[in-house]
Amino acid sequence: GQNIDQPTEMTATEGAIVQINCTYQTSGFNGLFWYQQHAGEAPTFLSYNVLDGLEEKGRFSSFLSRSKGYSYLLLKELQMKDSASYLCAVRDSNYQLIWGAGTKLIIKP
Amino acid sequence: TAGITQAPTSQILAAGRSMTLRCTQDMRHNAMYWYRQDLGLGLRLIHYSNTAGTTGKGEVPDGYSVSRANTDDFPLTLASAVPSQTSVYFCASSVSGTSGNNEQFFGPGTRLTVL
Repeated sequence: GQNIDQPTEMTATEGAIVQINCTYQTSGFNGLFWYQQHAGEAPTFLSYNVLDGLEEKGRFSSFLSRSKGYSYLLLKELQMKDSASYLCAVRDSNYQLIWGAGTKLIIKP
Repeated sequence: TAGITQAPTSQILAAGRSMTLRCTQDMRHNAMYWYRQDLGLGLRLIHYSNTAGTTGKGEVPDGYSVSRANTDDFPLTLASAVPSQTSVYFCASSVSGTSGNNEQFFGPGTRLTVL
């Protein structure tokens, strides 16, 4: 079966750095996405990786290793507004997104 | 630009009743999707449409139907609601469903409670 694993919850301090991991087993691979979802709101797109390596976008970076079925999202200089759930999703061989359950990130002052 | 809208925002529905959740996008995206989101689970795809006039089944299609008469609209119908369909429903769209870095844009969601 297809499976996306992420930690359920993480806590970090304002101003610090946090890394959210995602491991996947899917039928085929056509890219990996990270989305941010604030409580009660819709998911919004953060990043996309299809080749191995690091993609940097401001305070957020995303890394992919296809051979290991592994990705991480790195958030730097954490701000209170970064408190949200972070969703990892893999596009499978049918071009459908398979979603992880999300990681709830709690930022403390 | 409105992007993607959904209606209603929330609804309480008696079991056995039918209901249509509405979704409209103004981005001229070809592909549209319906997901449900339940606590502790990832988003699960119900139905999708890669282009107007075509639809496909996702991971959890039973009890739901969709139509795609035009590019903009993608309604989701529950023919006879059951309590297990209590969930938050998100509609999404993307430029294409089958190629490239096609991020999906999400509507604000409909919170449905079936009693």
